[in-house]
Amino acid sequence: GENVEQHPSTLSVQEGDSAVIKCTYSDSASNYFPWYKQELGKGPQLIIDIRSNVGEKKDQRIAVTLNKTAKHFSLHITETQPEDSAVYFCAATISNFGNEKLTFGTGTRLTIIP
Amino acid sequence: KAGVTQTPRYLIKTRGQQVTLSCSPISGHRSVSWYQQTPGQGLQFLFEYFSETQRNKGNFPGRFSGRQFSNSRSEMNVSTLELGDSALYLCASFEWTYGYTFGSGTRLTVV
Repeated sequence: GENVEQHPSTLSVQEGDSAVIKCTYSDSASNYFPWYKQELGKGPQLIIDIRSNVGEKKDQRIAVTLNKTAKHFSLHITETQPEDSAVYFCAATISNFGNEKLTFGTGTRLTIIP
Repeated sequence: KAGVTQTPRYLIKTRGQQVTLSCSPISGHRSVSWYQQTPGQGLQFLFEYFSETQRNKGNFPGRFSGRQFSNSRSEMNVSTLELGDSALYLCASFEWTYGYTFGSGTRLTVV
């Protein structure tokens, strides 16, 4: 089955700097890659996703890049703010109308230093 | 639109008991999936339901079961609870345009 590795496990950046989190996946058939942000006491919140027919997607300060050949994808957060502090999870799946299972990475605890 | 609602938020049970957790998906979403989140194993897929049918199942023992009702609400049941079942149980509803939307989860503690 699919295996997703995520690095780093913890990341501290100065407010205003950029943060990058990287994930690799094992199943070349995976075609849907969402990123989630989880704050204390809450469920994961979808912040951005990308499908395999696209190499990059951006939403304001957040961007995701996908390299299908190398089987890795990355989350980029620019101009970080204190409210970006949370645990971030990447996931991968073979998207097939919702009956697929998401395979998650192990998470990255991002701390923004004021 | 209201989000995914999970009840109860917190639950304490004794080993050997059983428990039922409830999930109401976003209105109009027909796919509901369940995940277990623990510090040691991370987020793991339990099962997925669509139109009252289980379409996919993760690698969990038969003590973990679920069902979905005609209004898309879903329940999961864990029988003969073990200490290792202590976890945050998350429900997600799916819609093609918006992907998976998770609820806040039910924190189950087995003592």
